[in-house]
Amino acid sequence: DTAVSQTPKYLVTQMGNDKSIKCEQNLGHDTMYWYKQDSKKFLKIMFSYNNKELIINETVPNRFSPKSPDKAHLNLHINSLELGDSAVYFCASSPGYTGNTIYFGEGSWLTVV
Amino acid sequence: GESVGLHLPTLSVQEGDNSIINCAYSNSASDYFIWYKQESGKGPQFIIDIRSNMDKRQGQRVTVLLNKTVKHLSLQIAATQPGDSAVYFCAEIKAGTALIFGKGTTLSVSS
Repeated sequence: DTAVSQTPKYLVTQMGNDKSIKCEQNLGHDTMYWYKQDSKKFLKIMFSYNNKELIINETVPNRFSPKSPDKAHLNLHINSLELGDSAVYFCASSPGYTGNTIYFGEGSWLTVV
Repeated sequence: GESVGLHLPTLSVQEGDNSIINCAYSNSASDYFIWYKQESGKGPQFIIDIRSNMDKRQGQRVTVLLNKTVKHLSLQIAATQPGDSAVYFCAEIKAGTALIFGKGTTLSVSS
């Protein structure tokens, strides 16, 4: 059983399109995250939700909109995709929102052409 | 700004050697530190963690050392194996915020 699963794993799309990445965790965790990893492998937090409530929203263009229908799911919707959005997006979860180990999914490779 | 960084972007070792990966952090308020391993094409995987009230913690073949005086964190891997080849990240948590990652060290193990 995959603890944190995200789909799709690979996504190639054209500039200007709108796309979504879905994430589900079966660990019973209260907190979920989206991280972005750039071409230099740098991992940066984008969003964090705790019990469906947004608690961290880093400086991210408002074209990115997370949605958490329940605490086991955190989806990422991206509007008007740009070339610079190409990256690997990781979903993650943790038992709480501070001082806990974070468990990551396998990543979604987004390529904007 | 405050950030977590690693001293070397790459480290090459021979199979069987011990590896030491270093990390410097700047925020003395951080109270929890984690080392992650990321293999090619996969997500970061938890290796070992340490709280700020500890200096050392050991796992299976891995040891994390925390020196709060100089704000330094290290990961020691004993008897490094080819399967240990990956990118290693240190990360810190400040209370009330999310995990902040350093830039990563690529460990290459040759047979």
